[in-house]
Amino acid sequence: KQEVTQIPAALSVPEGENLVLNCSFTDSAIYNLQWFRQDPGKGLTSLLLIQSSQREQTSGRLNASLDKSSGRSTLYIAASQPGDSATYLCARGQGGSEKLVFGKGTKLTVNP
Amino acid sequence: KAGVTQTPRYLIKTRGQQVTLSCSPISGHRSVSWYQQTPGQGLQFLFEYFSETQRNKGNFPGRFSGRQFSNSRSEMNVSTLELGDSALYLCASSHLWSYEQYFGPGTRLTVT
Repeated sequence: KQEVTQIPAALSVPEGENLVLNCSFTDSAIYNLQWFRQDPGKGLTSLLLIQSSQREQTSGRLNASLDKSSGRSTLYIAASQPGDSATYLCARGQGGSEKLVFGKGTKLTVNP
Repeated sequence: KAGVTQTPRYLIKTRGQQVTLSCSPISGHRSVSWYQQTPGQGLQFLFEYFSETQRNKGNFPGRFSGRQFSNSRSEMNVSTLELGDSALYLCASSHLWSYEQYFGPGTRLTVT
């Protein structure tokens, strides 16, 4: 069974701090890993997609890495801001399908 | 380019009724997937469509069904609603084989 785990479930940090969100998955035959952001009551916003042949992707203050051998992905957020407060979800994809398997998410609060 | 749109945004139904939710993908996207999000179970895959054909189905009862039209718009139907069907239903679209999913704002279904 393909499972995705995100720890911690919640994280509170002061503004300006650099932080790392963790995502682990079973089955190293992962095809891709996608990070999303979800604001309360809203849909998901795609942040970064890492294909299985890649090790990391960067967008602005965000950097995501993928280590298939250890079954881990991390999302690094630099110089956090209150506007970064949201739930961050990681999801693994599988070849031959658009299906994503999601973790339960990490709820991030950045305090001014 | 317009994003994924879902209608209606909010819906209140009574147990035993049926409901139809609609999703219009991003222009040019022919793959559409549906997910159910609840506080307890998180995001769970319902089904995936491409070119009017269901390619993959999640572990949900037969009361949940869907279809896709020739213009790539998709609908999902839930018959004989139960209280446990109360959830945020999210639709995502993508170019097939790009694996980057774009989500709509969701339909919040409340069953009373």
